Amino acid sequence: AQSVTQLDSQVPVFEEAPVELRCNYSSSVSVYLFWYVQYPNQGLQLLLKYLSGSTLVKGINGFEAEFNKSQTSFHLRKPSVHISDTAEYFCAVGGAQKLVFGQGTRLTINP
Amino acid sequence: NAGVTQTPKFQVLKTGQSMTLQCAQDMNHNSMYWYRQDPGMGLRLIYYSASEGTTDKGEVPNGYNVSRLNKREFSLRLESAAPSQTSVYFCASSEARKGYGYTFGSGTRLTVV
Repeated sequence: AQSVTQLDSQVPVFEEAPVELRCNYSSSVSVYLFWYVQYPNQGLQLLLKYLSGSTLVKGINGFEAEFNKSQTSFHLRKPSVHISDTAEYFCAVGGAQKLVFGQGTRLTINP
Repeated sequence: NAGVTQTPKFQVLKTGQSMTLQCAQDMNHNSMYWYRQDPGMGLRLIYYSASEGTTDKGEVPNGYNVSRLNKREFSLRLESAAPSQTSVYFCASSEARKGYGYTFGSGTRLTVV
């Protein structure tokens, strides 16, 4: 079985500060890892994904994530956040078909 | 390009009423999914369809039924709505050959009173 734990339910940061959203996963098979963003009253949008190859993955809006197999982690980072990054972020793990999502991390940007 | 279209966007039901949530995708994806989103619980899979003609239960299927009408359409039915089914429902589709990422609809906000 696969599972995902997002270690922080809420992360407040100041504008232009760096941010890291933490995600740990559990899987007995090869994994594919994803980060999705949900802006208020919208559906989920794919930020980035790791399928294979380089462990550092770059996504949209300046986000990147690093796959760490030994620590079973896939943390999301951005060096300088914007007010527009205020949203909920979901980490997900999957195999050939279904994705399992974490509980979400609400990122709040303070001016 | 519409992507994944869900209808309706909002719905209020009385306990015991039935309704069907509609979902259609125009990306020629093989796989489609229904999730529910509740505060603090992330997204939980209700049912999925790996390909046209097949459906399988997910994590929380009780109280729901699905129909994969054709490759484009995947509907979710609540036969007798209960207050515990108050939630936001998302439909998604994916195509393994395109890297397994899901494309989500904009959601249906359902309230059962």
